[in-house]
Amino acid sequence: DGGITQSPKYLFRKEGQNVTLSCEQNLNHDAMYWYRQDPGQGLRLIYYSQIVNDFQKGDIAEGYSVSREKKESFPLTVTSAQKNPTAFYLCASSIPARTYEQYFGPGTRLTVT
Amino acid sequence: RKEVEQDPGPFNVPEGATVAFNCTYSNSASQSFFWYRQDCRKEPKLLMSVYSSGNEDGRFTAQLNRASQYISLLIRDSKLSDSATYLCVVTSVLQGNLIFGKGTKLSVKP
Repeated sequence: DGGITQSPKYLFRKEGQNVTLSCEQNLNHDAMYWYRQDPGQGLRLIYYSQIVNDFQKGDIAEGYSVSREKKESFPLTVTSAQKNPTAFYLCASSIPARTYEQYFGPGTRLTVT
Repeated sequence: RKEVEQDPGPFNVPEGATVAFNCTYSNSASQSFFWYRQDCRKEPKLLMSVYSSGNEDGRFTAQLNRASQYISLLIRDSKLSDSATYLCVVTSVLQGNLIFGKGTKLSVKP
């Protein structure tokens, strides 16, 4: 079955540590995205990538970094510079011509204490 | 003014009821509009696109009013399984990416 996987589902880290969230897709989609969702808030775009080896900052990129070395993978690193890292992180992918139809992974809930 | 605004609800309705949600957007140049559904603690999923002429998908009807810059979603004959948060989504004029509203929570009761 095609889809997007994110791991782990729950992640706990101490303040000051970097942490990398995994996102893998086998939908053969060129475009991938990372969003953050806080309670009672809409999804906010962190980074997106339309093609391998290229990515752009979204609305809230500060304190985050990404890489896109393979079409299937788009890992997100939450650095210690991110002031409020505790959130629900969602990865998505789409065909570039249909960016409105994004397929989301199940998400990773990150808690930093 | 926020780019996409929705009444957070919750809307508590009995099974079989008809319920409508509205959403307003601030950028008159926005091109495309959608409704996504998000179940509790799950990922969002595309429910339907919203076309200028209005469109229907089973019990769901979406409408767009460009002059007033609002989008609506009507659900007829509500089912328990319709309980979820409904996200209003528009495309960014600058980047073409999606801009999500905070969502409207619907709870359908027996």
